[in-house]
Amino acid sequence: AQSVTQLGSHVSVSEGALVLLRCNYSSSVPPYLFWYVQYPNQGLQLLLKYTTGATLVKGINGFEAEFKKSETSFHLTKPSAHMSDAAEYFCAVSNNNQGGKLIFGQGTELSVKP
Amino acid sequence: NAGVTQTPKFRILKIGQSMTLQCTQDMNHNYMYWYRQDPGMGLKLIYYSVGAGITDKGEVPNGYNVSRSTTEDFPLRLELAAPSQTSVYFCASSGGSSSTDTQYFGPGTRLTVL
Repeated sequence: AQSVTQLGSHVSVSEGALVLLRCNYSSSVPPYLFWYVQYPNQGLQLLLKYTTGATLVKGINGFEAEFKKSETSFHLTKPSAHMSDAAEYFCAVSNNNQGGKLIFGQGTELSVKP
Repeated sequence: NAGVTQTPKFRILKIGQSMTLQCTQDMNHNYMYWYRQDPGMGLKLIYYSVGAGITDKGEVPNGYNVSRSTTEDFPLRLELAAPSQTSVYFCASSGGSSSTDTQYFGPGTRLTVL
């Protein structure tokens, strides 16, 4: 069975500071990993995903994530936070046997202070 | 191109009432999904469909039913509403059977059962 753990339900950073949102996964087969963002009162939209190949993945709005198999991690980073980054972020995992189904983490709410 | 649309946006039900949450996508996607989102719990898959006429249970199907008579529509039915079904419901779709496909989410329906 697969699972996802997001460390920290709430993260607060100052505008311009580094954003680091942590995600660890458990999977007995090669995982596919996703980060989705949910802005207030909206649905989720894809930030980035790792399937195969390069382990450093770049996404929209300056975010990137690195797949580290040895650490079973897929942490999300952004060098400089912007006020508009305030949202909830979800890490999710799938694999070739899941038929497209995603297992989501519990989410991390990011606040950005001016 | 509206993407994934959901109606209604908000609904209050009394215990024991029934209702249908509507979901429509205009991207000609084969795969469609229903999730519920509870605070601090991430998203849980209720039901999914791999094409018209084919549906299957997800992680938390009890108390819900679905049908898929067309590619575009995937309604979710609550027959006897219970307070435990108070949640935000999201519909999503994806283009193919690959587990690497991006899921596109609707804006959600916020349901309260009193």
